[in-house]
Amino acid sequence: ETGVTQSPTHLIKTRGQQVTLRCSSQSGHNTVSWYQQALGQGPQFIFQYYREEENGRGNFPPRFSGLQFPNYSSELNVNALELDDSALYLCASSSQAGGLGETQYFGPGTRLLVL
Amino acid sequence: SQQGEEDPQALSIQEGENATMNCSYKTSINNLQWYRQNSGRGLVHLILIRSNEREKHSGRLRVTLDTSKKSSSLLITASRAADTASYFCATDASNTGKLIFGQGTTLQVKP
Repeated sequence: ETGVTQSPTHLIKTRGQQVTLRCSSQSGHNTVSWYQQALGQGPQFIFQYYREEENGRGNFPPRFSGLQFPNYSSELNVNALELDDSALYLCASSSQAGGLGETQYFGPGTRLLVL
Repeated sequence: SQQGEEDPQALSIQEGENATMNCSYKTSINNLQWYRQNSGRGLVHLILIRSNEREKHSGRLRVTLDTSKKSSSLLITASRAADTASYFCATDASNTGKLIFGQGTTLQVKP
């Protein structure tokens, strides 16, 4: 167990709907990154939050948005869901010590199915 | 987009044998990490190797890094059935934890 939790574990939505996924980072970690993992693929970086600010974004459209709260937990919001958004969504937390390369601690993921 | 390619895509071995997985990547990196994933669940960090390191060990794991060839390998010695999982390499170009993953190698260890 990494100490990173995600909710919900599974979710079914229909095309066009909106979804919010949640992540609680490991104690003492101030950075949360979100990844999308399609079936049979490696995870793809969506964005990262560091001390409540977006700190980098991958190749995902603006309908993917996020928040980080003062306690460093985080939300991933996806608007106007598309069938291709069906995937496992993973969050990872770390402590940005700067310049040392930090291990990412992943949560168990939220499996989203869009019908 | 995926940074790297992993080879082989699938590997099946007997318990006790060694398993070797390879990862190639395209751009300069600060560090490279290997992760394990069981049955579509969360990723478990195995080992991190920095760009100025050539080899690293952790228990039954041995990782090598060749930055001139932009490649890395993960060796699992004396494999066990519990090692059955998908293994991913991930590169970090900026030392900020924004990882770019390969496609993964699915390892099956038969008892």
